[in-house]
Amino acid sequence: QSVLTQPPSASGTPGQKVTISCSGGTSNIGTNSVNWYHQLPGTAPKALIYSDDQRPSGVPDRFSGSKSGTSASLAISGLQSEDEADYYCATWDDSLNARVFGGGTKLTVL
Amino acid sequence: QVQLQQWGAGLLKPSETLSLTCAVSGGSFRGYSWSWIRQPPGKGLEWIAEINPSGSTDYSPSLRSRVTISLDTSKNQFSLRLRSVTAADTAVYYCARLLRFLGGNWFDSWGQGTLVTVSS
Repeated sequence: QSVLTQPPSASGTPGQKVTISCSGGTSNIGTNSVNWYHQLPGTAPKALIYSDDQRPSGVPDRFSGSKSGTSASLAISGLQSEDEADYYCATWDDSLNARVFGGGTKLTVL
Repeated sequence: QVQLQQWGAGLLKPSETLSLTCAVSGGSFRGYSWSWIRQPPGKGLEWIAEINPSGSTDYSPSLRSRVTISLDTSKNQFSLRLRSVTAADTAVYYCARLLRFLGGNWFDSWGQGTLVTVSS
């Protein structure tokens, strides 16, 4: 059972906008910044968003992050077939004194 | 561009000790925190441990009693040891660098992953 809750799956058609949610609590998302990673099959995860809404160099601006209270969201606009991957939110949890990941969301591009 | 190259035994028997090492090249080693993260087959990511530049460590509460993370600054390497493994420890294990920037911190570089299977 993950500390951070994500929907197990999401889907969209090419060109659409998709949003993935990440729900936590006051000791994690409510206090600390959220990062998002995506993972293609058989590869290591890659950072998409850090500090709630910042994109690392090289990440397209189709990817955007936001946070409100104890929840965070990742939005992907102009969906492309290569966006089909697993997406994870992550943050630090002050109560656990540990980094925590969401359970992951499998994005399917129809 | 920093590169993380990891290695270690891929097949263990129950009760044995998992040992993995991650070598860092192409970038600075000192001044960064380093982590191990694992992913059981078909499942999500699980953070295991982290060590900061001064050698202070943090561990997953569920693994703390069995795990040790360590640094070898002379070799630009860091390592993971997980004792008394069971089938539940079967996973792909990743090493990763924690980048701190403008108040945020995230894993910006990852190793290639090592599949560790625990089976009798």
